Amino acid sequence: EDQVTQSPEALRLQEGESSSLNCSYTVSGLRGLFWYRQDPGKGPEFLFTLYSAGEEKEKERLKATLTKKESFLHITAPKPEDSATYLCAVQGSNDYKLSFGAGTTVTVRA
Amino acid sequence: ETGVTQTPRHLVMGMTNKKSLKCEQHLGHNAMYWYKQSAKKPLELMFVYSLEERVENNSVPSRFSPECPNSSHLFLHLHTLQPEDSALYLCASSQGDYSNTGELFFGEGSRLTVL
Repeated sequence: EDQVTQSPEALRLQEGESSSLNCSYTVSGLRGLFWYRQDPGKGPEFLFTLYSAGEEKEKERLKATLTKKESFLHITAPKPEDSATYLCAVQGSNDYKLSFGAGTTVTVRA
Repeated sequence: ETGVTQTPRHLVMGMTNKKSLKCEQHLGHNAMYWYKQSAKKPLELMFVYSLEERVENNSVPSRFSPECPNSSHLFLHLHTLQPEDSALYLCASSQGDYSNTGELFFGEGSRLTVL
């Protein structure tokens, strides 16, 4: 069974204080690793897909990286509007379903 | 209207009530999903429909009954719920076949409270 563990559970940052979120996974043959952002009271919003170790994707202040066991979401010089819960999910080759982690809630203070 | 729309946004019901959640996608996607999100827990897949055909029910209790009348609409019929069913119910769609889930487009969710 595919498993995803995200850490930390919560992260409080000062505006401009860069940090990283971790997503550790076990999967039988990775088809894709996905990052989503979820604002309070809203549904998740797709951010990135990573397919193979060594791959990186960037969007504004966010950068996602992938190894064979984990993915990192780096937030560079965050702003208050980056406050959200970030979800990680994996899709294995044996199962079409996405397995989600519980998320990391990021709060950025001005 | 764009994206994925869910109604109602909030629902309070007693354990003996019958209610329905509605989802509509305006993206021309082929697959639609119901997910359950409870506090501090991972999203749980409940149902998947691909081209209006159910392909997964993921061992969901029978008090939850999905319906997909066409590729743009998805319902979740609720009856005789339990307080532990209180959660955020999210509808999602994907462009590709359900076997290539990839990027999901979520609605804003229906917050359900069972008294």
